Amino acid sequence: DTGVSQDPRHKITKRGQNVTFRCDPISEHNRLYWYRQTLGQGPEFLTYFQNEAQLEKSRLLSDRFSAERPKGSFSTLEIQRTEQGDSAMYLCASSGGLAGPYEQYFGPGTRLTVT
Amino acid sequence: KQEVTQIPAALSVPEGENLVLNCSFTDSAIYNLQWFRQDPGKGLTSLLLIQSSQREQTSGRLNASLDKSSGRSTLYIAASQPGDSATYLCAVRRRGGSQGNLIFGKGTKLSVKP
Repeated sequence: DTGVSQDPRHKITKRGQNVTFRCDPISEHNRLYWYRQTLGQGPEFLTYFQNEAQLEKSRLLSDRFSAERPKGSFSTLEIQRTEQGDSAMYLCASSGGLAGPYEQYFGPGTRLTVT
Repeated sequence: KQEVTQIPAALSVPEGENLVLNCSFTDSAIYNLQWFRQDPGKGLTSLLLIQSSQREQTSGRLNASLDKSSGRSTLYIAASQPGDSATYLCAVRRRGGSQGNLIFGKGTKLSVKP
């Protein structure tokens, strides 16, 4: 296992369409995080799972956004009825295992463009 | 509300220089602070993590310090190289709550000229 992976790496969609992103964390990590990053800004927290439980959600996570981690392994982030303002890099991170619970390791991100 | 500020926003230096990147945070009730590197269009690479009880951490040419009482951290890069060119982000984890999320600054974009 070489790190956190995300799929797809790039997604272009038309406004109003639904999109789903996948994140596979480092296998022994029980914590998984989603962040959103727009150009010139630092990442902003969206949500956090410990195993399959979603423990924290940001106010940024509107009702059009939903995240799941059904078996405590991979996670999906779905955006319904996409808007142009959703265009951003969506980053996934995981933590746990021997490195301790809090040092987060990030994936390469999924870049979403809404036209 | 915790806010993280990084100064300068951009920095250009000649190869070989030692440099310091600054990070400040408004609420000293943090659990830890983490420095990351981000290459253009890529994800984040963790560089150093400092627990709130620690004063500094070192990894190779990198040294990060933490002064929790004044709400400041610095990342010192020795003998800079062109390969160090990237955006450097600092992030804090707040104390209390689920401790899930990191709060990031906007980053310092570093360019090291050969």
